[in-house]
Amino acid sequence: QSALTQPPSVSGSPGQSVTLSCTGSTRDVGFYNYVSWYQHFPGKAPKLIIFDVTERPSGVPHRFSGSKSGNTASLTISGLQPEDESVYFCCSYAGNYAFIFGGGTKLTVL
Amino acid sequence: QVDLQESGPGLVKPSETLSLTCSVAGGSISDSRYYWDWIRQAPGKGMEWIATVFHKGDTYYSPSLKSRATISVDASKNQFSLRVKSVTAADTAVYYCARRASVAGQYCDIWGQGIPVTVS
Repeated sequence: QSALTQPPSVSGSPGQSVTLSCTGSTRDVGFYNYVSWYQHFPGKAPKLIIFDVTERPSGVPHRFSGSKSGNTASLTISGLQPEDESVYFCCSYAGNYAFIFGGGTKLTVL
Repeated sequence: QVDLQESGPGLVKPSETLSLTCSVAGGSISDSRYYWDWIRQAPGKGMEWIATVFHKGDTYYSPSLKSRATISVDASKNQFSLRVKSVTAADTAVYYCARRASVAGQYCDIWGQGIPVTVS
């Protein structure tokens, strides 16, 4: 099964909004409403920021939101802050307990 | 607050067996709301799901690794483990253990910080 497709990098200025995309197929993103997003600083444990496409764990700022259309899921970060600069990767359930991941997007806050 | 910590050798010789352990602190591995996963990230690549275990011993594997990987749980030690046999350079990666929530939804809500393993 091929990995989910994410742009390698995106950038935005403080206060702006950015949207990160994650494209899969009808066998994963398009079939299951089980897309999750993670913030990952190098050398640290990945942090869950969105689960089940749109849900935010407690403690994650409301600036982070998730959505899905067809085979593409999106993570939107509103009111960009310098501390948001990180790598973000997506994950989709693919059936039979399998997860499939994106390659990650490096977000730069200009 | 649940914390996961991977442990094991950082260097493994080709054709040998890679063995890693994940210690669960601050929660019980026998909590039926969760499964326990191993996931890895090779240099320059995205994350790759390897295997999942439930505390009762049910196991699930990635087809790409199923013939070489074994995941197991030791509830008495609150740990779960991964063994990958016949390793090659392609198994060089950072290996993460994670807790999977699956009662409603499918996602890993807690991860370890990862352990780098080099096959050489």
